[in-house]
Amino acid sequence: GAGVSQSPSNKVTEKGKDVELRCDPISGHTALYWYRQSLGQGLEFLIYFQGNSAPDKSGLPSDRFSAERTGGSVSTLTIQRTQQEDSAVYLCASSLGQIQETQYFGPGTRLLVL
Amino acid sequence: AQSVAQPEDQVNVAEGNPLTVKCTYSVSGNPYLFWYVQYPNRGLQFLLKYITGDNLVKGSYGFEAEFNKSQTSFHLKKPSALVSDSALYFCAVRDRGDNFNKFYFGSGTKLNVKP
Repeated sequence: GAGVSQSPSNKVTEKGKDVELRCDPISGHTALYWYRQSLGQGLEFLIYFQGNSAPDKSGLPSDRFSAERTGGSVSTLTIQRTQQEDSAVYLCASSLGQIQETQYFGPGTRLLVL
Repeated sequence: AQSVAQPEDQVNVAEGNPLTVKCTYSVSGNPYLFWYVQYPNRGLQFLLKYITGDNLVKGSYGFEAEFNKSQTSFHLKKPSALVSDSALYFCAVRDRGDNFNKFYFGSGTKLNVKP
């Protein structure tokens, strides 16, 4: 079946612009995760959704970052007033509802802020 | 603070030799433990996980990992390395308790298997 998909695959934007990244999880997966992977570094956990709610948003790096999920499916990660340090690969993952479940990752969105 | 440590940025091993990629964690209670692999230009793939039960967990591609509670470690191992195992490996931890909303990844270890 279809895996996790993310769009766009690549995004180049100018400093100060807003960007919106999209994640389509695997059908039936109630949990959804966003991560950031900077060049040569590990994964930084950003936020986790169970259904449409995100119990803990403290992983978001600043108030310029926001995420939402509607209908228990598609999620969008929005970065306002982008900065050069926001350049990274943004990964989305989904899993079944239980917290011990395996996460399945999408291919990522490579964001470059000029 | 909760964290995951992969002390080696890079591990070099000859094909056919055993390999170990180290992971230690600092998470309260008994966490869920995972290993993921990232091949060049490909997404992250699940290798194995420890939930409960036997401390030795077997996963994909002949990999295994041993949960050691006293040492708070979850090292990844394989008896005989293949050149195709060369990739970036990530250890990940999730708290079972109040902090289950967060997921912690190590910084990654690059495994180089030479013919």
